This record gives sequence, structure tokens and C-alpha cells, in this order.
Amino acid sequence: EPEVTQTPSHQVTQMGQEVILRCVPISNHLYFYWYRQILGQKVEFLVSFYNNEISEKSEIFDDQFSVERPDGSNFTLKIRSTKLEDSAMYFCASSWGSGKETQYFGPGTRLLVL
Amino acid sequence: AQTVTQSQPEMSVQEAETVTLSCTYDTSESDYYLFWYKQPPSRQMILVIRQEAYKQQNATENRFSVNFQKAAKSFSLKISDSQLGDAAMYFCAYRSNSGYALNFGKGTSLLVTP
Repeated sequence: EPEVTQTPSHQVTQMGQEVILRCVPISNHLYFYWYRQILGQKVEFLVSFYNNEISEKSEIFDDQFSVERPDGSNFTLKIRSTKLEDSAMYFCASSWGSGKETQYFGPGTRLLVL
Repeated sequence: AQTVTQSQPEMSVQEAETVTLSCTYDTSESDYYLFWYKQPPSRQMILVIRQEAYKQQNATENRFSVNFQKAAKSFSLKISDSQLGDAAMYFCAYRSNSGYALNFGKGTSLLVTP
């Protein structure tokens, strides 16, 4: 069964450093998403991406964040200058369509900013 | 923004018994989608069941069923014949028909005892 994959599974970085989190969505899916979950808190939406542009973003997704689909398979989340509060689990998800279509989640990347 | 409330931080059920997890939401929309996701200790988010608001019939997936009360804005999850593998964090989520983001509740931690 196709699945969303994410790399790395764990990332440790120093405050102020740039990090890139990578995701390979399910191959025939057209919509891509990033969510984050700070330890002990609920899952929060960051951004959705369709047709090579951002379709929706939350207040969390400020200028420090960017997304890109550099080729036909990868979908990346870049954090330009990490802060301590960026420490969280970051989930990538994809769906075939929007609305009722199910979003399938990857296993997550645990980011720790020191 | 829509608010999703899960009022039970923790629930416990004995193996083979039935448990119901509650979820309420706040929206002014008439067309939307509701989901239950399961997050086991591995942290990956797995879809359990989904419900389209325009459907009156409650969704069912094997041992999992929902009680969708649109007027009351309630969407509870019933797990029948509970198994040890059902132990996880369960998140209720709302998605607008006009948006892309899943809006999650804070989750209910389900413990299954032998």
C-alpha cells in the first residue's frame, strides 16, 4: 500500500540554523500539507500546497517557513532560522483531492532545536 | 475558525468492551467533513473513520462507528470489542468544504486493559 515517507526521522539543530525537512507524498496525490505537533499539544496545520503554490497557510507559517516541490516526488519544508519553540514533530500529509478526500500522514520528523 | 473540543483527556476500557470517545465542534458552515485519527506510540497519524456532514447515515468501519449529531455538532467515536492494539491517542478533526486544513482537537488518550 502506498504511503507517505519523511526524512530524517530525527533532526537535532542549533538555534539559528536552517533545516530542511523532506517528504515524499503518495505518487498520484495532488495536495500536500505540513502539520506540526509540539510535545503534549494538539496537531496544528501549517500549510497546504497545490499546483506548485501555497493554497492555504496558518498564522504559524510566517516568513521563517517555506515550502517547495523541487522535483516530481519530493515536498520540502524549510525553516530558515530555527528557534527553540520550533522543536516539535513535523508531519507531512498528502491527498488526492481537497475537501472530503482523506489526508494520509507520514511518520513525522522529530525536530529538536538546542 | 472552527473549534474542535475533546472533553476527555484520558479514557480507559477493558479488552473486548466498548468505549465511546466524545467530540464536539463549533462551526457556522453546513457542509464539512469530520475525521477520527489514531496516533499510536509510534506517533504516526492513522485515519480511523470519516464522515461527510451531508450524509445522515453514520459511518462505520469494522469495529469503529460514529454517532454524528449535526444539530448538536457532536461526533463521537465508538470502539466495539476493544483490543490491546487500540491503545493510542485519538484525535477528532474538522475540515471545511472550502478549505484545506484539518483542525484537530486536543486528543483523548485511550488505555486498553487486559
